[in-house]
Amino acid sequence: RKEVEQDPGPFNVPEGATVAFNCTYSNSASQSFFWYRQDCRKEPKLLMSVYSSGNEDGRFTAQLNRASQYISLLIRDSKLSDSATYLCVVNPDMYSGGGADGLTFGKGTHLIIQP
Amino acid sequence: DVKVTQSSRYLVKRTGEKVFLECVQDMDHENMFWYRQDPGLGLRLIYFSYDVKMKEKGDIPEGYSVSREKKERFSLILESASTNQTSMYLCASSLLGVSAFGNEQFFGPGTRLTVL
Repeated sequence: RKEVEQDPGPFNVPEGATVAFNCTYSNSASQSFFWYRQDCRKEPKLLMSVYSSGNEDGRFTAQLNRASQYISLLIRDSKLSDSATYLCVVNPDMYSGGGADGLTFGKGTHLIIQP
Repeated sequence: DVKVTQSSRYLVKRTGEKVFLECVQDMDHENMFWYRQDPGLGLRLIYFSYDVKMKEKGDIPEGYSVSREKKERFSLILESASTNQTSMYLCASSLLGVSAFGNEQFFGPGTRLTVL
């Protein structure tokens, strides 16, 4: 059964600190991975894609560990505006042929940056 | 920029009413999706469509139907609304197929539906 698991938090972090959270996935054939950000009462928006061994975008670093089946998101020098819910999203085997086995969303990790 | 719009931000309906939620995207995307999002349950896929007049059931299709008569428009229909369908409904679209590598989904602002 496909699953994406995240710690729901909340993570309360002081401004300027570094914070990291993980996401584990159960489908070992999963091919691509994403982090989405969702602000309160807003729609999810893509934050980063994670395709191979990981990637970095400014203060954000996403890493993939295929052997242990987890991805992580690291936020450095956190800002008040980083407060949001971060959704881990996993795409199954690209040859699965579609159907209901589409993107699988984690339930999200709630992050609160405190001044 | 991709824009996905939904017909209403907030909607209040009564039990038993037929409810239409409309979604329009302006980037000629092939694929469109309807999700509902509930506290503690995350995003759950209701239905999706990979082409005009085509539809596929998601994880929780019961009590819902969909219509895609035009490429840019995907409608979610609650045939007879019930209180357990009170939720946030999110529409999304993507250019690539559901299982294609790198298929970012773009979401609409959501419709918060309350069924009394």
